[in-house]
Amino acid sequence: DGGITQSPKYLFRKEGQNVTLSCEQNLNHDAMYWYRQDPGQGLRLIYYSQIVNDFQKGDIAEGYSVSREKKESFPLTVTSAQKNPTAFYLCASSHRGRPASNQPQHFGDGTRLSIL
Amino acid sequence: RKEVEQDPGPFNVPEGATVAFNCTYSNSASQSFFWYRQDCRKEPKLLMSVYSSGNEDGRFTAQLNRASQYISLLIRDSKLSDSATYLCVVNADTGTASKLTFGTGTRLQVTL
Repeated sequence: DGGITQSPKYLFRKEGQNVTLSCEQNLNHDAMYWYRQDPGQGLRLIYYSQIVNDFQKGDIAEGYSVSREKKESFPLTVTSAQKNPTAFYLCASSHRGRPASNQPQHFGDGTRLSIL
Repeated sequence: RKEVEQDPGPFNVPEGATVAFNCTYSNSASQSFFWYRQDCRKEPKLLMSVYSSGNEDGRFTAQLNRASQYISLLIRDSKLSDSATYLCVVNADTGTASKLTFGTGTRLQVTL
């Protein structure tokens, strides 16, 4: 079945530690996105990538890094510089259409990150 | 002012009722619009796109008013399984990127 797979489902981070969240898709989508969701808030965009080897900062990129070496994969690293990392992290993907905005995004089932 | 505003609810309705959710957006350059459904502690799932002429998918009807920058979702004959949070989502095309802006969601609880 085609879809987006995020792992792990739950992750705990120690102080000063970097952690990496995995996102893999087999939908043949060009574009991939990372969001975080905090209680009572809407999803906020961290990073996005339209094609392999290219990515752009979203609205809250500080303390995060990404790579896009393969079309299928868009891992997110939460660095020690991110002082409030506890949140629900969601990866999404979409086709690149014209206009790009008409392409809905489809989500993985998320990773819950907490501080130890 | 938030870019996308929704009444957080909760809306508590009996099974079989009709319920309507409203959403306003501030960016007049927004080009496409969606409703997503999110169950508790799960990922958002696309419910339907919203077209200028209005569109219907079974018991769900979406309307868009560009002049008022207003979007609505109507659910007829509510089912218990409709209980979820409904997210209004707006997309501003930057030319090279698809950037969604999410509302905080309206929670619906359908009861017997």
